[in-house]
Amino acid sequence: DTGVSQNPRHKITKRGQNVTFRCDPISEHNRLYWYRQTLGQGPEFLTYFQNEAQLEKSRLLSDRFSAERPKGSFSTLEIQRTEQGDSAMYLCASSPRTGVNTEAFFGQGTRLTVV
Amino acid sequence: GNSVTQMEGPVTLSEEAFLTINCTYTATGYPSLFWYVQYPGEGLQLLLKATKADDKGSNKGFEATYRKETTSFHLEKGSVQVSDSAVYFCALSDRAGGFKTIFGAGTRLFVKA
Repeated sequence: DTGVSQNPRHKITKRGQNVTFRCDPISEHNRLYWYRQTLGQGPEFLTYFQNEAQLEKSRLLSDRFSAERPKGSFSTLEIQRTEQGDSAMYLCASSPRTGVNTEAFFGQGTRLTVV
Repeated sequence: GNSVTQMEGPVTLSEEAFLTINCTYTATGYPSLFWYVQYPGEGLQLLLKATKADDKGSNKGFEATYRKETTSFHLEKGSVQVSDSAVYFCALSDRAGGFKTIFGAGTRLFVKA
């Protein structure tokens, strides 16, 4: 298993454009999480899937953000009408369901720059 | 809600010095506690974890003990190396929080040769 994979690694976009990121979790991990990390800060939780069900969304996730996990495998995070404040590292993580409180495994992230 | 507070950085040490990075938490349930490390240009990696009170997590010479009475999970290493230079994040997750991981702000460590 190659771990959590995120694409693209870097994205530069003009303000107002839409962007979509993809996350491929570790096989058979049924929990998938999206986080946002800005410079000098810890990752902030955005949303969480268990299989294909989106179970929780943070208040940070405005209406311009949408996430999907259509078949309980990979996930996409779309940002519509990007703003400069959306510039950040977007992290995806996955964890297995077996056991309680198991750690999350993180991908390398997608760095978004909105110009 | 759940939260994690860790000491502000940067922390600058000479090689072979003793390291402590303080971390305290607030949780409504019975969390698991983690330390993650982010080396320059790399992703987040789990360094160590502890799942219940009095557990000690350890890895690569780093240790942290889950102290429920003081709600703390301080990271320690007896002798740091230049290669330990990184950002360290204290974190927690629990059932009450939907198992999502809540992170502290991170502490940057610089180790000088």
